[in-house]
Amino acid sequence: GQNIDQPTEMTATEGAIVQINCTYQTSGFNGLFWYQQHAGEAPTFLSYNVLDGLEEKGRFSSFLSRSKGYSYLLLKELQMKDSASYLCVLINDYKLSFGAGTTVTVRA
Amino acid sequence: GAVVSQHPSRVICKSGTSVKIECRSLDFQATTMFWYRQFPKQSLMLMATSNEGSKATYEQGVEKDKFLINHASLTLSTLTVTSAHPEDSSFYICSAPEGGQSAGNTIYFGEGSWLTVV
Repeated sequence: GQNIDQPTEMTATEGAIVQINCTYQTSGFNGLFWYQQHAGEAPTFLSYNVLDGLEEKGRFSSFLSRSKGYSYLLLKELQMKDSASYLCVLINDYKLSFGAGTTVTVRA
Repeated sequence: GAVVSQHPSRVICKSGTSVKIECRSLDFQATTMFWYRQFPKQSLMLMATSNEGSKATYEQGVEKDKFLINHASLTLSTLTVTSAHPEDSSFYICSAPEGGQSAGNTIYFGEGSWLTVV
């Protein structure tokens, strides 16, 4: 099975940078997704890491270290609309396993 | 990009009735779709895997006779909540991997359906 840990809550100021860490223990691993979910809405795809290293997409970057069972999502130049839950999601074969999500609150 | 559409977005039904939720892949074929349920402030929980042309695979603890899944075509899967009860009230979300079950493909989510059973 999978065990995925990420912080429950984080608060940051508009314009700042926030890093959301995700550690995992898994019996099988094919990749790791990060999703953004606003309250009451379905998750939106942010990034997908298969190989070790950093993937950058605009203000969002995601890092993966498979040997350490570790990933992070980096949000730069925070905007108010970035207030949401961020889900660390493992994929093993075709099945997804979800972390509990990190609620990020951006303050003015 | 690929889009998965889910309908209805919100539905209210009376206890004891059945409700059907549709999940469509709009610009790609989805041989596999997944159905999730999410209770408030909790993580998504996989209910079942819908396979085109064969029976759905249900997760442990999910009643297959209560949550009927039909994958009628390569672009449509439906979830029917039969004899709904208030405890079935939840947010139901479908997802589909673009390009099939390959682990290297991005998985897209439908918009979700809020079900309220009164």
